[in-house]
Amino acid sequence: AQSVTQLGSHVSVSEGALVLLRCNYSSSVPPYLFWYVQYPNQGLQLLLKYTTGATLVKGINGFEAEFKKSETSFHLTKPSAHMSDAAEYFCAVTRIQGAQKLVFGQGTRLTINP
Amino acid sequence: DSGVTQTPKHLITATGQRVTLRCSPRSGDLSVYWYQQSLDQGLQFLIQYYNGEERAKGNILERFSAQQFPDLHSELNLSSLELGDSALYFCASSVTGAGQGGETQYFGPGTRLLVL
Repeated sequence: AQSVTQLGSHVSVSEGALVLLRCNYSSSVPPYLFWYVQYPNQGLQLLLKYTTGATLVKGINGFEAEFKKSETSFHLTKPSAHMSDAAEYFCAVTRIQGAQKLVFGQGTRLTINP
Repeated sequence: DSGVTQTPKHLITATGQRVTLRCSPRSGDLSVYWYQQSLDQGLQFLIQYYNGEERAKGNILERFSAQQFPDLHSELNLSSLELGDSALYFCASSVTGAGQGGETQYFGPGTRLLVL
């Protein structure tokens, strides 16, 4: 069975500082990986995803993530945090083939301090 | 705006009652997924429909059922409601959701259900 672990349910950074949100997955075969963001009272929006090809993936709003198979990780980073980045971030995986249900981590709430 | 619509936005009901949540996928998307978001369970996959047929089932209770209609909209029916069913219910859609993975799922704004 697939599972996702997000280290840290709450992360707080200063505006302009580096954002690092950690995600590790467990899967018998490397899955496809996603990061979604949820702003207050809204649905989930895709930030970026890794399926095949380059392991460093760039997404929207200046975010990027790197798939590291040896570490079973897919950490999300942004060089300089902005106040508008305050939200909840979810890492998720799906199988490469077959049922495409998303298996989510528990989420990380990102707070930006002025 | 993802293009996925869900109605109603909020629903307040009593234990034992039955409710229906509705989802319209993005134009052209054939698959609809239902997820439940609660404080204790997090985001959990419930069920997927592809072009009118059930394709995958997750942690969906027997009291819950879903269907996808010929116009591809979907309904999630929750019956004999319990306090623990209070949650945010999301619908998502994707182009196919069949076979080859990696498709983006586009999420609706959700329906917040409160069972009193």
